Amino acid sequence: GAVVSQHPSRVICKSGTSVKIECRSLDFQATTMFWYRQFPKQSLMLMATSNEGSKATYEQGVEKDKFLINHASLTLSTLTVTSAHPEDSSFYICSASTGGPEAFFGQGTRLTVV
Amino acid sequence: GIQVEQSPPDLILQEGANSTLRCNFSDSVNNLQWFHQNPWGQLINLFYIPSGTKQNGRLSATTVATERYSLLYISSSQTTDSGVYFCAVDAYYGNNRLAFGKGNQVVVIP
Repeated sequence: GAVVSQHPSRVICKSGTSVKIECRSLDFQATTMFWYRQFPKQSLMLMATSNEGSKATYEQGVEKDKFLINHASLTLSTLTVTSAHPEDSSFYICSASTGGPEAFFGQGTRLTVV
Repeated sequence: GIQVEQSPPDLILQEGANSTLRCNFSDSVNNLQWFHQNPWGQLINLFYIPSGTKQNGRLSATTVATERYSLLYISSSQTTDSGVYFCAVDAYYGNNRLAFGKGNQVVVIP
């Protein structure tokens, strides 16, 4: 149990285009999911909290217009990187919990903007 | 916000050796987890351990909450143990917003 699936695992896009990343809880419902960003050989940084049926809560310094989050159902949150630029290239990873304190992570999405 | 420090940052082990990874945190926590990030980036849950001691096979972990540290023990290391080990704690009381340490990069050589 507690499986979180992310799609795509890898994406390359042209500068100026938008990219959507999906995060699904496969065997449980998640009212809250979290999005993290990881630069090469660095730690994970929390970007935002995705709340089902309401607006996402962004961490300080994260541009909400650049990183659009939609949590339309209890099993799906999406992160859209709008007007992507090379500096947005990174590893993006989501997490969800079954209601308890333990977090479970998706496989991550490696975004490369060329 | 809460600070999480992990040591050592890098560790090279001979296969079969034992090791201890340490995580210090700057404030009281209700949630502490250890993860192993494999070469493909997947974070594997190892332990949820806000206090006490747990064991799972060759791995065990101990958290001394009153002294604000946690230890992860790897015994009889194998090459498949290679990767980055992260300690993460709740950034704010009572939710799952996690603050991560910088990780312990472990390389096990045959």
